[in-house]
Amino acid sequence: EAGVAQSPRYKIIEKRQSVAFWCNPISGHATLYWYQQILGQGPKLLIQFQNNGVVDDSQLPKDRFSAERLKGVDSTLKIQPAKLEDSAVYLCASSLESGLARVTVHNEQFFGPGTRLTVL
Amino acid sequence: AQTVTQSQPEMSVQEAETVTLSCTYDTSESDYYLFWYKQPPSRQMILVIRQEAYKQQNATENRFSVNFQKAAKSFSLKISDSQLGDAAMYFCAYRSAWNQGAQKLVFGQGTRLTINP
Repeated sequence: EAGVAQSPRYKIIEKRQSVAFWCNPISGHATLYWYQQILGQGPKLLIQFQNNGVVDDSQLPKDRFSAERLKGVDSTLKIQPAKLEDSAVYLCASSLESGLARVTVHNEQFFGPGTRLTVL
Repeated sequence: AQTVTQSQPEMSVQEAETVTLSCTYDTSESDYYLFWYKQPPSRQMILVIRQEAYKQQNATENRFSVNFQKAAKSFSLKISDSQLGDAAMYFCAYRSAWNQGAQKLVFGQGTRLTINP
């Protein structure tokens, strides 16, 4: 079974430029997550999709970050314009939707390899 | 809101010896999951072990085991017979047991584990 795919693996941009990251989740996974991991810290959720609807975007800086998940499969995360503090690893994860109220082991989140963004 | 704290930024251990990584958390929920993830330099987040809060028995996966103290809100990871391949960042994480609303993982700051040959 193929894992979560992300591209690009690395990106270097100047501040105020725009950048986009792409994520392809595991086939059949209804839930998709974008996490931001700043150097020396643990990942922090930016946005969660269930199919193509947003479940949680409370930590997404909406003045510069946007994300979409068209057709409930692939997702794109965009930053425009980028700031120095956006330098981080952006991790995408996906999980099954069990249809149950309670989480089971089948709801495990599988992570992609991440995209390392450097803003100069 | 839930928080996870890892108070050891770095740990080191001799190969073949045992090391314990500490984690504490804060939550008002009674039903939740706790996890330890390993992140090698490749950045791929790999699940090491999970613990369901309502299960009193500590989880074990081969050389990895946890000491789950629910009342103390403590969740430590013990790695036995440490191997060079265990060197990585280790993250403790929390997740609510219910699928309603957000299902995010809340991570600690991480502990960098070095294995000395």
